[in-house]
Amino acid sequence: GAVVSQHPSRVICKSGTSVKIECRSLDFQATTMFWYRQFPKQSLMLMATSNEGSKATYEQGVEKDKFLINHASLTLSTLTVTSAHPEDSSFYICSASRVHDRFGSGTRLTVV
Amino acid sequence: DAKTTQPNSMESNEEEPVHLPCNHSTISGTDYIHWYRQLPSQGPEYVIHGLTSNVNNRMASLAIAEDRKSSTLILHRATLRDAAVYYCILGDMNRDDKIIFGKGTRLHILP
Repeated sequence: GAVVSQHPSRVICKSGTSVKIECRSLDFQATTMFWYRQFPKQSLMLMATSNEGSKATYEQGVEKDKFLINHASLTLSTLTVTSAHPEDSSFYICSASRVHDRFGSGTRLTVV
Repeated sequence: DAKTTQPNSMESNEEEPVHLPCNHSTISGTDYIHWYRQLPSQGPEYVIHGLTSNVNNRMASLAIAEDRKSSTLILHRATLRDAAVYYCILGDMNRDDKIIFGKGTRLHILP
C-alpha cells in the first residue's frame, strides 16, 4: 500500500481563500519532504524542500509567502496556498525522504 | 545535476514489448539510474533502478549500456494500463536528495 499519503485528492476553492494540503509518511519518519507543482502536459516542478523543525527551502521563483510550508513533525508536512488565484490551479504533489516509493498521489487544486 | 535525454513520446501496440531509451552521457560514477512513471492524475510511481548491471523486477527490466551513457527501460508486454509518462532520473541513493524531473517520455499504448 501507499507509504506517503496526501490529502485532499482534489479541492475547489474560491479566489482569495487559502487551502491547506497535507502530506503524511505512513510507516516511516521523514526528516525531509518535497513539494512539487505540475501544470497540464508539463513535468513536475520542484517548489520547495521541507525540513522537519526548520524553515523550508524554496526554489527560485516560488513565493514563500504565498506557499506556506510547515513540517512540524517527522510524519507530516503541510502546504498552504494563501490567497489563491485561478493561476494557482494545478496538481500539487508531495514526496518524502525515502529512496523509492516516495510520492503522494497528488492534490488537484481548482481555484474559481 | 546530470542530465538525461528522452524522446518526447512513443507509441506501442498492446501486448507487445516496449523499449524506452534514455541517454545520460554525463553520468557520474556514483549515479544510479532510476525510472519512475506517472499515470494520469497520479503521483510518480517507482519502476526500477540500477547502477551497472541489468536489472529485472515484476514491472520491467532495465538494460544499462556498458559505458553507462545510456539505458533502456523494457516493458515486456505492454498493456493499456502502462500508458503513462516515463521519467529517467540520475542520482545516488541518498533518500534526502530531491528529485528533479525532466520532460520524460509519454508512452501511448494502442489497443
